[in-house]
Amino acid sequence: NAGVTQTPKFQVLKTGQSMTLQCAQDMNHNSMYWYRQDPGMGLRLIYYSASEGTTDKGEVPNGYNVSRLNKREFSLRLESAAPSQTSVYFCASVYREGEQFFGPGTRLTVL
Amino acid sequence: AQSVTQLGSHVSVSEGALVLLRCNYSSSVPPYLFWYVQYPNQGLQLLLKYTTGATLVKGINGFEAEFKKSETSFHLTKPSAHMSDAAEYFCAVSDLGGADGLTFGKGTHLIIQP
Repeated sequence: NAGVTQTPKFQVLKTGQSMTLQCAQDMNHNSMYWYRQDPGMGLRLIYYSASEGTTDKGEVPNGYNVSRLNKREFSLRLESAAPSQTSVYFCASVYREGEQFFGPGTRLTVL
Repeated sequence: AQSVTQLGSHVSVSEGALVLLRCNYSSSVPPYLFWYVQYPNQGLQLLLKYTTGATLVKGINGFEAEFKKSETSFHLTKPSAHMSDAAEYFCAVSDLGGADGLTFGKGTHLIIQP
């Protein structure tokens, strides 16, 4: 039982490049989330998926797209990376009563 | 819209002293409230949560928090700080049963002085 896994752990991109961050959970949770963490800003919700086949925007969705591939997997895509997207990205899934399990994070740098 | 305010981006206490991390929230409906801890270069780990029932909740590592509706607060305490408590602490709120994600405070970095 690995919980929530994220790949890659680290990534460096040049401005304009694209990439997909992968997230998977093995806890059979319905809802999954993507957050970004920036110094002094806490975590901010990018997108979430309340159930397989549905996705919704969070607080900071611009520049991102998501895909809920199946119940286990929820990916985040940057189509044209910008330096403002340099951040640490966390994926999470909900256990019950809003309690979220977080992955270890992906540290992304956009040059 | 809900929001969370954590007073103090950095809090420093001596080992063995009381830890008090403050959190105030706003929410239009009865909230679910959480405290998470983040150690360097790691993900977030749940310390404790309040959903319904008893307003004083106990969590892991000796931490506890009290939900005070009249003060819209959910402060985190620990009677005696340990060096291993040094970390970043986040307060978070959710309504609608948590379905639409958590709103986080900006975090408080807890420093433990030997």
